Order: sequence, then C-alpha cells, then structure tokens
Amino acid sequence: GAGVSQSPRYKVAKRGQDVALRCDPISGHVSLFWYQQALGQGPEFLTYFQNEAQLDKSGLPSDRFFAERPEGSVSTLKIQRTQQEDSAVYLCASSLTDSPNSPLHFGNGTRLTVT
Amino acid sequence: DAKTTQPPSMDCAEGRAANLPCNHSTISGNEYVYWYRQIHSQGPQYIIHGLKNNETNEMASLIITEDRKSSTLILPHATLRDTAVYYCIVRVPYGGSQGNLIFGKGTKLSVKP
Repeated sequence: GAGVSQSPRYKVAKRGQDVALRCDPISGHVSLFWYQQALGQGPEFLTYFQNEAQLDKSGLPSDRFFAERPEGSVSTLKIQRTQQEDSAVYLCASSLTDSPNSPLHFGNGTRLTVT
Repeated sequence: DAKTTQPPSMDCAEGRAANLPCNHSTISGNEYVYWYRQIHSQGPQYIIHGLKNNETNEMASLIITEDRKSSTLILPHATLRDTAVYYCIVRVPYGGSQGNLIFGKGTKLSVKP
C-alpha cells in the first residue's frame, strides 16, 4: 500500500512569504506527527494530532507555525512570514493507533529553503 | 534528551552481518526499544521494535539483553543500500504525543564493497 506522502518535495521561499506543506498519511492512521529536521541533526517533534484533534503543539517554535488536520486525514503545516532559521526538512509521520507499540511511518519530507 | 548511546560511525563489509550496538542503561518500566534508519534525502524508515523479547522481521533482528540495558540491531547480510544513519530510540509506554520519538545522533553505517 501507499506510504506517507508529502508535498511539495522542495520549497524555496523568500523571507517573509507564507508557505503550506501538505501531508497525506497512510489511510486509516489515527495518529499524525510533524517533525522538523535541521541539517545534520535528528528530527525534532513539532506537533501531534489524534484524528482531527491537535493534542500537542508544544514543539512548534513560534506562533508563526500553524498545523491543521480538519477531517482527520490530510494535514497541512503552515508557516507564516518565513525566516531563514525556518530552513529545514519538515517530516510527517503517521501511526495506526496512538499506542507506543504502534510504529510511526514517515514520509520523505519537504525541504524548505528560505532565502 | 535522548536516552540512548550509540557509536557515531561504523563500517561493514558488503555481504557480512552488521551489528549495531545501543546502550540504554536508564531504560525503565515498559519502555520500548525502536530502531529506525535514514538514508540520505529520505525520511526515517521503521526497522523493528521490541519490549523484552528478541524480535526478527524481514529486515533485521533485534537482540535485547536480559537486563534491557542494551540492545543490538543485526542486519544479517549488509548491502550497499543499507548505508544510512541508524537511530536507536527508547519510547515511553504512553500513548499520544508522550510517545513521540526522540531522536539522538544515531550511528552512521557505511557498507563497503
């Protein structure tokens, strides 16, 4: 079956522009996570959804970052007024249930470059 | 902070078994041991996970010591495509965002012809 799909694969934005990054999780997966990965580092948690409910947004670095999952499937991560420090790979992961025994499956990410 | 310690890099000859160690001496209760790998320009790929018992799937085997303070990921016949950064992650036994994965620096495995 299809895995987690993210688009676009690459995004270049001028500083100050708004961007929207899309995640299509595996069908039927309840949990959805967003991570940010800086160059040479491991991914870091941004936010978590259980179905359509955003239960944890403690990792979002500023109020310029906003995520939604209105129908409990596709999710969008939006960054307003992008800054250079926002340049990173943004990864989406989904899991079948919210159990810690349920593995996360990651997409290939969106590489955002802010110029 | 990550609760695991891994060597920063390892080499392995193609066709040989790759044994990647991980120390998690502070593991507690019902925390799971997860392994992921990340090939350049791709997202992390799930490999295997376990709680107390050894586990095997089509990709790898996971050997967890009896005291659970360390584990070893075994790739039985490494190929060049197994070159990647391998992450060992201890995952807390809670659901939702508390169970999110905390990545350390991992081990860069280089498989050489």
